[in-house]
Amino acid sequence: EIVMTQSPATLSVSPGERVTLSCRASQSVSSNLAWYQQKPGQAPRLLIYDASTRATGIPARFSGSGSGTEFTLTISSLQSEDFAVYYCQLCNNWPLTFGGGTKVEIK
Amino acid sequence: EVQLLESGGGLVQPGGSLRLSCAASGFTLSSNAMAWVRQAPGKGLEWVSSIDGGSDDTHYADSVKGRFTISRDISKNILYLQMNSLRAEDTALYYCAKDIWAWSFDFWGRGILVTVSS
Repeated sequence: EIVMTQSPATLSVSPGERVTLSCRASQSVSSNLAWYQQKPGQAPRLLIYDASTRATGIPARFSGSGSGTEFTLTISSLQSEDFAVYYCQLCNNWPLTFGGGTKVEIK
Repeated sequence: EVQLLESGGGLVQPGGSLRLSCAASGFTLSSNAMAWVRQAPGKGLEWVSSIDGGSDDTHYADSVKGRFTISRDISKNILYLQMNSLRAEDTALYYCAKDIWAWSFDFWGRGILVTVSS
């Protein structure tokens, strides 16, 4: 099983700051990675798939990069609505696995 | 408009069974892969099971293999998850989700709560 590890677990950030979230795979997964945002009481929302493709309707301030074992989700300028938990997900490999999540909180 | 609506959750005793349903609209199950993903209270996301769109190929997490069965009724456009031999650790909010690419999921239901407790 491929293990997905996210860091940090919590990130305290001020609005307007640039945010970088990390996801590491225990072995190479090519670009088979997705990123989700989840707010309290809501279902996850797909942000990025294929490591760097923004999903429909996702603002351009969200970008994904990486391949192999190291991946990054960047929020160029954090907005108030972006405070949430972010998960990476291994795609196209069984079992599908999610990272443990990074909580982005207000500083 | 794509919509997913889960139902069938509730309180069940350990060892019991439940069948979850996910009514899909705005697209057809016959052309789209689907999955169930769960989230235990206060925890992260855990993939449970998937079914291929163009075939009936199914996949399961080891934690549910042999106990859970994913299926679909194409005529009704409903996805199911039959859950048997339920354990306390199966307590979670269960989401159904629609695949967009390589088993990443662009539409999710609101989730349905399953509580396994005596």
